[in-house]
Amino acid sequence: GEDVEQSLFLSVREGDSSVINCTYTDSSSTYLYWYKQEPGAGLQLLTYIFSNMDMKQDQRLTVLLNKKDKHLSLRIADTQTGDSAIYFCAESMMDSSYKLIFGSGTRLLVRP
Amino acid sequence: DTAVSQTPKYLVTQMGNDKSIKCEQNLGHDTMYWYKQDSKKFLKIMFSYNNKELIINETVPNRFSPKSPDKAHLNLHINSLELGDSAVYFCASGTSGVNEQYFGPGTRLTVT
Repeated sequence: GEDVEQSLFLSVREGDSSVINCTYTDSSSTYLYWYKQEPGAGLQLLTYIFSNMDMKQDQRLTVLLNKKDKHLSLRIADTQTGDSAIYFCAESMMDSSYKLIFGSGTRLLVRP
Repeated sequence: DTAVSQTPKYLVTQMGNDKSIKCEQNLGHDTMYWYKQDSKKFLKIMFSYNNKELIINETVPNRFSPKSPDKAHLNLHINSLELGDSAVYFCASGTSGVNEQYFGPGTRLTVT
């Protein structure tokens, strides 16, 4: 079935690292994504990882994928107040629909 | 140079009315989508079009009718609006292959 789960809330102090976790159920997912949504705005694609990779790093962002446990994480190094937002993980179905299944979103609050 | 644009940004209307939301993308993508985000920020696919052809129709009431006059435009028409239709509606366009999806700024629909 299609189900993506995330914890609802994370609070960190500015300068610390943030780790946002996600679990998914569809083992046939080809790509997994992280999106950021700031208040009143649309979703911004941050990064994605192909399902045959374990890790991807992009500046302050590190994505880890554990396919066996169907677990995806996003680590933000040196978290800034501008990183406060809702973060969504999503999986892409392997069928021809191209649809993304989104998690419920994790609200990240960065305290000064 | 906006990539995915939607109009209007806000839409307030009464129950029973008919309204339309327009979406345009200038990214040259073949696939466009409509998503609905509810008050709890849960995001769900509604429709997908690929080269003006309907690909996904996710158990959406037939009061909702998407129309794609060309591959750069995907409009959403809603008949007989109900209170439960109040939400933020996002248009997106996406690449093939990696399926990177780029979102518009959203249309906040309030039905009174």
